[in-house]
Amino acid sequence: SQTIHQWPATLVQPVGSPLSLECTVEGTSNPNLYWYRQAAGRGLQLLFYSVGIGQISSEVPQNLSASRPQDRQFILSSKKLLLSDSGFYLCALEADNTEAFFGQGTRLTVV
Amino acid sequence: KQEVTQIPAALSVPEGENLVLNCSFTDSAIYNLQWFRQDPGKGLTSLLLIQSSQREQTSGRLNASLDKSSGRSTLYIAASQPGDSATYLCAVQRNKFYFGSGTKLNVKP
Repeated sequence: SQTIHQWPATLVQPVGSPLSLECTVEGTSNPNLYWYRQAAGRGLQLLFYSVGIGQISSEVPQNLSASRPQDRQFILSSKKLLLSDSGFYLCALEADNTEAFFGQGTRLTVV
Repeated sequence: KQEVTQIPAALSVPEGENLVLNCSFTDSAIYNLQWFRQDPGKGLTSLLLIQSSQREQTSGRLNASLDKSSGRSTLYIAASQPGDSATYLCAVQRNKFYFGSGTKLNVKP
């Protein structure tokens, strides 16, 4: 079965520091991968999605970037964090327009 | 652009009640619709997936329906329990997933 691993579970970072969140998946090949952010009390905002290695689509202009160096690896990065980058970050996978599966998320607090 | 709306935003019911959560979407050209559950501080757990050609799916006490032409889906929860307390999200998919903002359910013992 398909599984998603996200780490770390929680992260506290100072403003201006870099960020790297990693998501790896198992049990599927060539999945579509997604990064979402969920701000406190708000809905899910799609940040990036990828249909294959090296293929990244950005949904909104922001301080973040994403990369997909391997088929089952999706990385969310920032060179300099802002306070507004705080939130709950979720990685998701979906294959062949079927069911989506989510990781357990990373709670990022920028201080 | 696809917009997904969930009503109500919050719901509080006594244990044992049957309840209905609503989801509407503006573009009927979807591949499927999925209902999720999210517990506080956790990721999303998939509850039910309805393909665009289907009208409903059932899992235990949960039943989800889809009326694609009218852009609506409902999640029916029978005999609610305190353990059902969570935020319920619906998402429609066409190339990407579009989420509603969720219904926060509280089932009181």
